[in-house]
Amino acid sequence: DAGITQSPRYKITETGRQVTLMCHQTWSHSYMFWYRQDLGHGLRLIYYSAAADITDKGEVPDGYVVSRSKTENFPLTLESATRSQTSVYFCASSESPGDPYEQYFGPGTRLTVT
Amino acid sequence: AQSVTQLDSHVSVSEGTPVLLRCNYSSSYSPSLFWYVQHPNKGLQLLLKYTSAATLVKGINGFEAEFKKSETSFHLTKPSAHMSDAAEYFCVVNHFSGGYNKLIFGAGTRLAVHP
Repeated sequence: DAGITQSPRYKITETGRQVTLMCHQTWSHSYMFWYRQDLGHGLRLIYYSAAADITDKGEVPDGYVVSRSKTENFPLTLESATRSQTSVYFCASSESPGDPYEQYFGPGTRLTVT
Repeated sequence: AQSVTQLDSHVSVSEGTPVLLRCNYSSSYSPSLFWYVQHPNKGLQLLLKYTSAATLVKGINGFEAEFKKSETSFHLTKPSAHMSDAAEYFCVVNHFSGGYNKLIFGAGTRLAVHP
């Protein structure tokens, strides 16, 4: 399917487990982003990537790891999940770093850590 | 540093009445500003964007926003609300740092539309 997809859409895991959230886009966009959405905070940037093998921290990177070996994929890993990481996670992509630009969002993954 | 403040966390209107969602921004340079909408259990969709061209920006579904530099505001309006407008709305400013563009989101305004 064309566009940006995320999997799984819903995930329940236990504290201390490793969890990987997947993001895939079919536009060959250079830039990809991971956000978390929590009540009262809007969306906060976790990590972003300017191209394959180039990643950098966003506003709230602690407890998360990313990789980008291929342009189209940008997985987000919680190495040891904590209850504070219960959230809705959105992946986004963008074709250009220039200003102005817009980002295209996936449908989100709702993660619950028990 | 760039930031946005959405002045209302919840707005409730009746169907057919005007909608006003307020947003103030802070930016050290001329910003790019966006409004995104999120319907329940859905991803975010771009409503409109301001990119230093016309100060009155028209978006999808009858929404528009006016950039007012003197007031550092970018309020979202619609003349007549529809039930399908019920959603969460995010005001967003572009932040250029370290050679990259990043989006800074407001906390969101939840719009309820009553019959």
